Amino acid sequence: DAGVIQSPRHEVTEMGQEVTLRCKPISGHDYLFWYRQTMMRGLELLIYFNNNVPIDDSGMPEDRFSAKMPNASFSTLKIQPSEPRDSAVYFCASSPSSRGLIFPPYEQYFGPGTRLTVT
Amino acid sequence: AQKVTQAQTEISVVEKEDVTLDCVYETRDTTYYLFWYKQPPSGELVFLIRRNSFDEQNEISGRYSWNFQKSTSSFNFTITASQVVDSAVYFCALIGGNEKLTFGTGTRLTIIP
Repeated sequence: DAGVIQSPRHEVTEMGQEVTLRCKPISGHDYLFWYRQTMMRGLELLIYFNNNVPIDDSGMPEDRFSAKMPNASFSTLKIQPSEPRDSAVYFCASSPSSRGLIFPPYEQYFGPGTRLTVT
Repeated sequence: AQKVTQAQTEISVVEKEDVTLDCVYETRDTTYYLFWYKQPPSGELVFLIRRNSFDEQNEISGRYSWNFQKSTSSFNFTITASQVVDSAVYFCALIGGNEKLTFGTGTRLTIIP
């Protein structure tokens, strides 16, 4: 089975440009998460979706960040305009449904990440 | 609030030695889940194990074993007969009632050949 797919794997852009990161979750997973990893702050949850609906976006750092999930097999994370401090590895993860289970799976399967460098 | 503490920032051991990675957690939830993830040099995060708060049985999977103790709020991870391929950053993580995964800061493990 294919895992979580992210594109691009590497992105280098200039400050002020718009950046769009893409994610395809594992088929059948109901949850999708976007994380950011930096040396200073570690792994941070930015936003997560359940059945394509954003549930919690409290981790999104600023209005420059936005995320969408138009259907069950695709999500985007957009940064506009980008700044050098946005440089990080961005991970997408998906998780199976917890519906009806006393002990939900909850384990998240991560994509390979997108390494973003903003100069 | 949830918190996961991995006090060991970096560990180095010689190949074939056993090594234990410590994880201490804090949560007010009575139902919660604990996880270990591995991040090898290639960068991806690999799920290793999940444990729920009602199951304190220790688990062994090959050279890996996990010791869950609610009394000390710890979920430690031991690698027996370490190998160079075990070199990675290992993260302990927790999910409680808010369904948000809280990660520790990670332990960088280096296995010296």
